[in-house]
Amino acid sequence: DQQVKQNSPSLSVQEGRISILNCDYTNSMFDYFLWYKKYPAEGPTFLISISSIKDKNEDGRFTVFLNKSAKHLSLHIVPSQPGDSAVYFCAARIYNQGGKLIFGQGTELSVKP
Amino acid sequence: DVKVTQSSRYLVKRTGEKVFLECVQDMDHENMFWYRQDPGLGLRLIYFSYDVKMKEKGDIPEGYSVSREKKERFSLILESASTNQTSMYLCASGAGVYEQYFGPGTRLTVT
Repeated sequence: DQQVKQNSPSLSVQEGRISILNCDYTNSMFDYFLWYKKYPAEGPTFLISISSIKDKNEDGRFTVFLNKSAKHLSLHIVPSQPGDSAVYFCAARIYNQGGKLIFGQGTELSVKP
Repeated sequence: DVKVTQSSRYLVKRTGEKVFLECVQDMDHENMFWYRQDPGLGLRLIYFSYDVKMKEKGDIPEGYSVSREKKERFSLILESASTNQTSMYLCASGAGVYEQYFGPGTRLTVT
């Protein structure tokens, strides 16, 4: 039972354009969502997060949007750069279960010069 | 900066061997986690710990055990390694209920 789903295994974008990575979830008890970025042969690094009481959070080139009614969140990267090429994981936290996170399958982003 | 280190980057073991993967964090975090990453499956939680000598099963604990004797150290043990345990193993630590900080991972191959 995949509670957090990233249905696109890969995405290719031209440098300077917008990258949009999507994530769907099924559990209404999720109260906090995070995006992680992972380069090959390295551990994931935290990128940006959003509380379920908000619908948008922005940090520089990265913006996360949350649509609770649709149980959908997205990560926008504008403008995309070749260094953004990595695997991006969406993660969600269940209310009242401490720091435990549920991760999606990941989307591999390739930004072409 | 938070630092999470894992004892090996690459490991090759034979079927049936007992395998120890060590993880150490230097930020005095209460929470520590072990995941495995497989293509198309993302990160799956094996075990986690909220305190010394405390452990809880994650989503895929079968075939694994853990040990947390000191706050900074969390060990993952494969009692009898099998080929389906070939994977990337990632350790993470965190304080409270927010983001987790990951180590570089151990690529384990069981032959």
